[in-house]
Amino acid sequence: DGGITQSPKYLFRKEGQNVTLSCEQNLNHDAMYWYRQDPGQGLRLIYYSQIVNDFQKGDIAEGYSVSREKKESFPLTVTSAQKNPTAFYLCASSGMDRAYEKLFFGSGTQLSVL
Amino acid sequence: GNSVTQMEGPVTLSEEAFLTINCTYTATGYPSLFWYVQYPGEGLQLLLKATKADDKGSNKGFEATYRKETTSFHLEKGSVQVSDSAVYFCALSPPGSGNTGKLIFGQGTTLQVKP
Repeated sequence: DGGITQSPKYLFRKEGQNVTLSCEQNLNHDAMYWYRQDPGQGLRLIYYSQIVNDFQKGDIAEGYSVSREKKESFPLTVTSAQKNPTAFYLCASSGMDRAYEKLFFGSGTQLSVL
Repeated sequence: GNSVTQMEGPVTLSEEAFLTINCTYTATGYPSLFWYVQYPGEGLQLLLKATKADDKGSNKGFEATYRKETTSFHLEKGSVQVSDSAVYFCALSPPGSGNTGKLIFGQGTTLQVKP
């Protein structure tokens, strides 16, 4: 079945540690996105990529980094510079034709600070 | 700027009750509008969409009409089921954002349906 796979489902970060969240898709989509979800708030865009080896900052990119070396993969690193990393992280992808009309989401990673 | 405001939750209904979840937006120009649903422990799924004024999006018994004059996109369902219990997000695609999936989301409204 085609879809988006995020791993791990739960992740814990220690102070000063960088952690990486995995996102893989087999939908042959060109564009991929990372959103952050906080309780009682909407989703906010962290980074997005429309093509391999290129990505753009979203609304809350500070403290995060990404790479897009393969079409299928868009890992997100939460660095020690992100002072409030506890949140639910959602990866999404879309085709390039009228991409805004439908995003496909993964099942998310819950990141917590120890 | 662009923003989406949804009614506060949680919304608790009995099975077969009528559902309305209010959503209003602020945007320059004419955004596309969406409702996404998030079931427990899962990612978001597109429920319905409308891309221009007066369009009605519908899916699985849910409906929403793009009202430009009131800048609203309220979600309705005539008879809810327990399986509709989820978090519902209203979202817009800002005009001028190009062919990207950069969406602006509301804060989400939790719906609980009791048997």
